[in-house]
Amino acid sequence: GAVVSQHPSRVICKSGTSVKIECRSLDFQATTMFWYRQFPKQSLMLMATSNEGSKATYEQGVEKDKFLINHASLTLSTLTVTSAHPEDSSFYICSANQAVHEQYFGPGTRLTVT
Amino acid sequence: DQQVKQNSPSLSVQEGRISILNCDYTNSMFDYFLWYKKYPAEGPTFLISISSIKDKNEDGRFTVFLNKSAKHLSLHIVPSQPGDSAVYFCAAQAQNSGGSNYKLTFGKGTLLTVNP
Repeated sequence: GAVVSQHPSRVICKSGTSVKIECRSLDFQATTMFWYRQFPKQSLMLMATSNEGSKATYEQGVEKDKFLINHASLTLSTLTVTSAHPEDSSFYICSANQAVHEQYFGPGTRLTVT
Repeated sequence: DQQVKQNSPSLSVQEGRISILNCDYTNSMFDYFLWYKKYPAEGPTFLISISSIKDKNEDGRFTVFLNKSAKHLSLHIVPSQPGDSAVYFCAAQAQNSGGSNYKLTFGKGTLLTVNP
């Protein structure tokens, strides 16, 4: 089956620093990857759509300069939270499209900003 | 403006009985619907899906029903097992999503607890 990995699974960083989260499709190529954010007991909120070789498409209200997305290859997308603040603490999840309707999710990354 | 709504934040059922999770949507452009199961601190796992051209899709203990005119879908789990206890998310997809190809819009989820 299609497997998506994320690294790291959890990270603690100090306020003002930047954190990079990697999302990899392990056994398939994904032209499109998605980045979600989930607050406790809330839904998954789509942050941006990442297309290989082109700029990411951000959802309304998501700061593109704060959440930098790079989709350099068909198996790797990265999300960099720049100048992180405590309010950026959240659970970040990526997903990858294998086919039109088949979207597979990574295990998520717990970010804590102190 | 929430386009996918799961109005029941939680549901508790006895093992062996049927679990029915409901989902409503408002966007008539949605034409594909998916159910995901999620445990805490993990990514969602795909369960079952249905295209808008169908009204029912069945996979083992899981059946999804779609009522397009009511913009309503439901997930039936029968018989329910304690291992089914998790948060279930309903998600919808529009084929013509503009620049965000095939993006999913999620409901807030329903926490299902199956008691032994």
